Amino acid sequence: DSGVTQTPKHLITATGQRVTLRCSPRSGDLSVYWYQQSLDQGLQFLIQYYNGEERAKGNILERFSAQQFPDLHSELNLSSLELGDSALYFCASSGGEGNTIYFGEGSWLTVV
Amino acid sequence: AQTVTQSQPEMSVQEAETVTLSCTYDTSENNYYLFWYKQPPSRQMILVIRQEAYKQQNATENRFSVNFQKAAKSFSLKISDSQLGDTAMYFCAFMKLAGYSTLTFGKGTMLLVSP
Repeated sequence: DSGVTQTPKHLITATGQRVTLRCSPRSGDLSVYWYQQSLDQGLQFLIQYYNGEERAKGNILERFSAQQFPDLHSELNLSSLELGDSALYFCASSGGEGNTIYFGEGSWLTVV
Repeated sequence: AQTVTQSQPEMSVQEAETVTLSCTYDTSENNYYLFWYKQPPSRQMILVIRQEAYKQQNATENRFSVNFQKAAKSFSLKISDSQLGDTAMYFCAFMKLAGYSTLTFGKGTMLLVSP
């Protein structure tokens, strides 16, 4: 158990819909990362937050957004969903600069 | 930008044998970390081992060890006494030390351990 908690573990939704994925980092970790893993794109970095502020942005679509709340949990919002958004979405956390990044178990999103 | 290359899409080994997974990377950074993560069929990402670039000594974690060649930008993972539970996708990853960096992953190597 990495200590990073993600909910829901699985969800199925229709095209055009909006979903929210939630992540609680390890106790004491200030950084939260979101990654997308799909069959054809591998592991893609989406976005990073540190203590509530956005720190780095990767290949995140404009239809996607995220935030980190004062209690350090984070949410990834995916809207206007398309079939190609079906993937495993990982949240990860770390204690800050240079620290090891630990992953949650992921949220499986299937868009039908 | 950094790139990580894993040139072996699939590998197989028999139980109790030793196997080495290859990884090369490209970076202009001097200070960075390298990692190997394991993703079993459950799809969870599990940290296997970590290497700091400033350390000359190769990292070791039980049956897992690395061969870190900084000049060659090579970072291979050796698994000794392979076990069935080692069957997984293995990802090599790079993270620069400066600032709030993120992980850059290779495409992975699927390792199958057979009885």
